[in-house]
Amino acid sequence: DAGVIQSPRHEVTEMGQEVTLRCKPISGHDYLFWYRQTMMRGLELLIYFNNNVPIDDSGMPEDRFSAKMPNASFSTLKIQPSEPRDSAVYFCASSPDREAEQFFGPGTRLTVL
Amino acid sequence: GENVEQHPSTLSVQEGDSAVIKCTYSDSASNYFPWYKQELGKGPQLIIDIRSNVGEKKDQRIAVTLNKTAKHFSLHITETQPEDSAVYFCAAPDMDTGRRALTFGSGTRLQVQP
Repeated sequence: DAGVIQSPRHEVTEMGQEVTLRCKPISGHDYLFWYRQTMMRGLELLIYFNNNVPIDDSGMPEDRFSAKMPNASFSTLKIQPSEPRDSAVYFCASSPDREAEQFFGPGTRLTVL
Repeated sequence: GENVEQHPSTLSVQEGDSAVIKCTYSDSASNYFPWYKQELGKGPQLIIDIRSNVGEKKDQRIAVTLNKTAKHFSLHITETQPEDSAVYFCAAPDMDTGRRALTFGSGTRLQVQP
């Protein structure tokens, strides 16, 4: 298995633009997590899905952020409109269970100018 | 919700020495405690985990101890090697709010000097 796949690996955009991050989880994993990592706030959970259904989105910072999981092999995190304070590394992770090893992707480094 | 505190924030040791990283948590219902290692430019990777029904778990040079009464758990790395240099994160699940998602500590940057 190729592990969790994220794209793009790097994204540079201007304030106000829409950004879409993509994730392909490991096949057979029922849980998918989106995290954001910054120096100031560390590793924060944004939202997680179980069997494609959003379970907890209390970490989503505001309405500009949205996430979808249309099927078991694909998820997106969208920011619209983007702001400089959204600059961070965004990780997707998948797991066979909520309290089991989470397999992280390589991350997307987002820079909003 | 769960509050996880991790110390120290940075740790420098000589190759061959031991390293200890400590975490405390607030949710007494938490029952699963993983440790992740993050190398530069990569995502975190699980290195060891422990569940609340045991007090200690070992895997070669790595061990984790858990004290449920005091609500703290520690990562022990013996005979450190330069490739152990990385950022280490502890985590615990947020049980009391029903989220049951992991809350991560702030991380410890370990530097092993050759």
